[in-house]
Amino acid sequence: SQTIHQWPATLVQPVGSPLSLECTVEGTSNPNLYWYRQAAGRGLQLLFYSVGIGQISSEVPQNLSASRPQDRQFILSSKKLLLSDSGFYLCAWSSGTGAVEQFFGPGTRLTVL
Amino acid sequence: EDQVTQSPEALRLQEGESSSLNCSYTVSGLRGLFWYRQDPGKGPEFLFTLYSAGEEKEKERLKATLTKKESFLHITAPKPEDSATYLCAVQGINDYKLSFGAGTTVTVRA
Repeated sequence: SQTIHQWPATLVQPVGSPLSLECTVEGTSNPNLYWYRQAAGRGLQLLFYSVGIGQISSEVPQNLSASRPQDRQFILSSKKLLLSDSGFYLCAWSSGTGAVEQFFGPGTRLTVL
Repeated sequence: EDQVTQSPEALRLQEGESSSLNCSYTVSGLRGLFWYRQDPGKGPEFLFTLYSAGEEKEKERLKATLTKKESFLHITAPKPEDSATYLCAVQGINDYKLSFGAGTTVTVRA
């Protein structure tokens, strides 16, 4: 069966510091990978998605970037965090072969102070 | 742009008191409508995919239905463990992304 991991689970960072959040998927090959952000009382917002190694599409211009160095690894980064970057970050995967369902990881709670 | 509106924002039920959650959507060509359950501090858990009007799916006390403009999630005889936020999302034919509603938070009292 497939499993998706995210770490860290929680993170408190000062404004202006860098960020690196990691997501890995097990039990599948060539998945589509996604980064979402969830703000309190609002729906999930797609930040980035990737259909293959090195292929990244950005949905919202912002202070963040994403990379996919390996088939089942997806990284969310920032060089300098802003207060507005606080939120709950979720990684998700879907099959690259037609099925549409997206399956989410446990999430990372980021607080920027 | 795809839009999803969920109502009500919050729902408080007595154990055994059946009710329905609404998800209204607009999308140019529906690839799928999805229901997820989310517990506090955790990632959404996939429940159902609906593809076309008239389709219904069931899982335990939950039943999801779909029309051309909205979906309903019916909770029959809920138990306290059904307490969670239920999220609705749509995906357009030419989209990778899911467009989510803000969710309905359901609280079931024993």
